[in-house]
Amino acid sequence: DADVTQTPRNRITKTGKRIMLECSQTKGHDRMYWYRQDPGLGLRLIYYSFDVKDINKGEISDGYSVSRQAQAKFSLSLESAIPNQTALYFCATSWTAVDTQYFGPGTRLTVL
Amino acid sequence: TQLLEQSPQFLSIQEGENLTVYCNSSSVFSSLQWYRQEPGEGPVLLVTVVTGGEVKKLKRLTFQFGDARKDSSLHITAAQPGDTGLYLCAGVTGANSKLTFGKGITLSVRP
Repeated sequence: DADVTQTPRNRITKTGKRIMLECSQTKGHDRMYWYRQDPGLGLRLIYYSFDVKDINKGEISDGYSVSRQAQAKFSLSLESAIPNQTALYFCATSWTAVDTQYFGPGTRLTVL
Repeated sequence: TQLLEQSPQFLSIQEGENLTVYCNSSSVFSSLQWYRQEPGEGPVLLVTVVTGGEVKKLKRLTFQFGDARKDSSLHITAAQPGDTGLYLCAGVTGANSKLTFGKGITLSVRP
């Protein structure tokens, strides 16, 4: 079984809809991250969490919110989706900020 | 301003050729990681370099960290189609010790 799982893997939605992407991990890591990946722009950090009570904004947090329900679960929400949020979204985990990041398989989100 | 510049952005070569790609910055990194991402999957760590001048080998892949810890290179010997993918470098710098990714190098190795 995969250490980092993401659901759904693919999602098509309409402008204005609320969307939640979920991430679960079995690695026991405290640190979890949400990135979006766009062609030509690389991986950009949306939010990160050091533990259940510590949530931090990344470089592109506007339009997104997160919830760390447990050590193993970190959800990303788009309150009112817009077309320029169409992207590939990755969740990742790590022991510390400088250690290996373990990525999930990604969620491809399309906002029409 | 992009903290980490990767070059070239795209590379298409024939099986058996050698290649070198680069990850450059004006900042000093405490460590630098290289990841490979295959289509439909998340990035997977290949190597971490920590010491200036360090060279690490992973089968046909050779990674070097610059003496000043501002840049890194990846050399692939006798490339194979299985090497096809997106190669990302990521560096740790600053008091926050966050990992920052470059935009990546898309490598295509033709049979």
